[in-house]
Amino acid sequence: AQKVTQAQTEISVVEKEDVTLDCVYETRDTTYYLFWYKQPPSGELVFLIRRNSFDEQNEISGRYSWNFQKSTSSFNFTITASQVVDSAVYFCALSEVSLQGAQKLVFGQGTRLTINP
Amino acid sequence: KAGVTQTPRYLIKTRGQQVTLSCSPISGHRSVSWYQQTPGQGLQFLFEYFSETQRNKGNFPGRFSGRQFSNSRSEMNVSTLELGDSALYLCASSSGQLSYNEQFFGPGTRLTVL
Repeated sequence: AQKVTQAQTEISVVEKEDVTLDCVYETRDTTYYLFWYKQPPSGELVFLIRRNSFDEQNEISGRYSWNFQKSTSSFNFTITASQVVDSAVYFCALSEVSLQGAQKLVFGQGTRLTINP
Repeated sequence: KAGVTQTPRYLIKTRGQQVTLSCSPISGHRSVSWYQQTPGQGLQFLFEYFSETQRNKGNFPGRFSGRQFSNSRSEMNVSTLELGDSALYLCASSSGQLSYNEQFFGPGTRLTVL
């Protein structure tokens, strides 16, 4: 069965600090996709990134970067020079690949990130 | 392009009642998925519909059901409500062509069962 673990329930840092959110996953599939979503107080989940299991290149998008390591089944997310607007709950999710296209995301428990001014 | 819309945004029901939630996907999207979010269980997948057919289902009792209409709008129904059904119900839409298509989420319906 697929499982995603985000061991950090809550993180609180001061603005401009760097922060890393951890994500560890379990799956028996050889092909799968990993996602990060952000949930601000409004409740709507906002897509941040998708990664497939064959692409282990790190990705950087502005202040955000992602480190995918298949050997440790981890897909960690780093925010550099954090800002108050980054305060939200962040979810890591896993998707299997279905030939029929059936969709299902398995989410971690989420990490509540608070950036203090 | 309008995003995913969910109605109503808030709902209060009592135990034993039934409830219907609605989701309108992004125009052109044919897949609609439903998720339940609670503080204890987190985000859990309920089911997914594509072209009016249920294509995937999570581990929820039969009291939870859904359907999709020809215009891709979807409804979710919960019968015989229990206190534990209090949650934020999120709907997500995608083109649905591939199982790993990006899903776009709506703002959710917050259901409170008294």
